[in-house]
Amino acid sequence: DQQVKQNSPSLSVQEGRISILNCDYTNSMFDYFLWYKKYPAEGPTFLISISSIKDKNEDGRFTVFLNKSAKHLSLHIVPSQPGDSAVYFCAASAGDSGAGSYQLTFGKGTKLSVIP
Amino acid sequence: ETGVTQTPRHLVMGMTNKKSLKCEQHLGHNAMYWYKQSAKKPLELMFVYNFKEQTENNSVPSRFSPECPNSSHLFLHLHTLQPEDSALYLCASSTGTSVFYNEQFFGPGTRLTVL
Repeated sequence: DQQVKQNSPSLSVQEGRISILNCDYTNSMFDYFLWYKKYPAEGPTFLISISSIKDKNEDGRFTVFLNKSAKHLSLHIVPSQPGDSAVYFCAASAGDSGAGSYQLTFGKGTKLSVIP
Repeated sequence: ETGVTQTPRHLVMGMTNKKSLKCEQHLGHNAMYWYKQSAKKPLELMFVYNFKEQTENNSVPSRFSPECPNSSHLFLHLHTLQPEDSALYLCASSTGTSVFYNEQFFGPGTRLTVL
């Protein structure tokens, strides 16, 4: 049973527009969330994270929003660039209150294509 | 070499073979991880090592045997695998084992095919 769900396998966005990638989770013990980006033939690379004590975290063009009551988070990329085309994974951890703070539970990923 | 490296990048083996996957990190990290990514499934944590000691075994079958001789190297020994073990095997490392502000750095993975 998937605890972290990325329901959109793929997303296409025009260059310069906003990309919104969504992630839902079911485990209420999750208190730390991360986004990873993966290019073909490379391992995932860390992008941005958010703790459950916040509802927003911003880093340049990337912003992650967390809605705890809805158990939903989203990654906004503005403006989108062709180099952002990759698979984006959402991951969650239960931290010190759960199975181990290193235990990341991943979603299946969303493939983003930014069209020039 | 920088970051996390994995060899081989691709491996094809029969069910009776014995092979090993190697991971090396050049980041001075203390924790290392093995993940498995099967087709159309999320990444699954297999093993965690912290300061060379195994701290997690996520109910992984004994046909997968990890080894961590030092904080920089991690091996995954494979024997009598099944075709359903075909997957991308990813190694990662981090400074410590808390995810808080302590992200994991991944290698490129080994694409394993079991015939």
